[in-house]
Amino acid sequence: QSELTQPPSVSGAPGQRVTISCTGSGSNIGSDYDVHWYQHLPGTAPKLLIFGTSNRPSGVPDRFSGSKSGTSASLAITGLQADDEADYYCQSYDSSLSGFVVFGGGTKLTVL
Amino acid sequence: QLQLQESGPGLVKPSETLSLTCNVSGASVSGFGSYWGWIRQPPGKGLEWIGSIYFSGSTYYNPSLKSRVTISVDTSKNQFSLNLSSVTAADTAVYYCVKPVARREWFDPWGQGTLVTVSS
Repeated sequence: QSELTQPPSVSGAPGQRVTISCTGSGSNIGSDYDVHWYQHLPGTAPKLLIFGTSNRPSGVPDRFSGSKSGTSASLAITGLQADDEADYYCQSYDSSLSGFVVFGGGTKLTVL
Repeated sequence: QLQLQESGPGLVKPSETLSLTCNVSGASVSGFGSYWGWIRQPPGKGLEWIGSIYFSGSTYYNPSLKSRVTISVDTSKNQFSLNLSSVTAADTAVYYCVKPVARREWFDPWGQGTLVTVSS
């Protein structure tokens, strides 16, 4: 059971906009810890997509954006493309116990 | 350019210890302020943080695995390692070595990952 909750799947047609939610709690996202997002294609290493809640690494298109409010965060993808089809994971930090890194369960994005 | 590469046995017997090594190129594992870590993904499941080690040797582990995990650094070989004891089938996963930016922050880059199967 993940400390961060993501929808198992989302879908959209090419060119559309989709959002993926990441719901946490007062001990992680709600404690103002940053949220980070990764794109994972099967058989490859996960790729950092968004860091520090809303920052894009060099080379990541501005079609990808991140935001946070309260105990939740979101990843938005505009202008969907076929090669956006992948699994997406959110990640943050939880201050409970002795503190630990937490991931969401992952969301499978299907481009219709 | 920093690159990470995992190595180790692809098959481990139940109750034994899983041991993996991550070879680091493009940076020093003893570099001031650097962190190194491990993440895994069981088949069909999501990502799970295993733990991280600071250049000073301080370690931080997932509470759910803490009793069985040891992460260490070998500065002479510019590598860091993962030992996971008393493994069961539930430890079957792709194991990634990663570079945490800081203790509570993101991971970049990741190694390609190595599948470890626990089976007799």
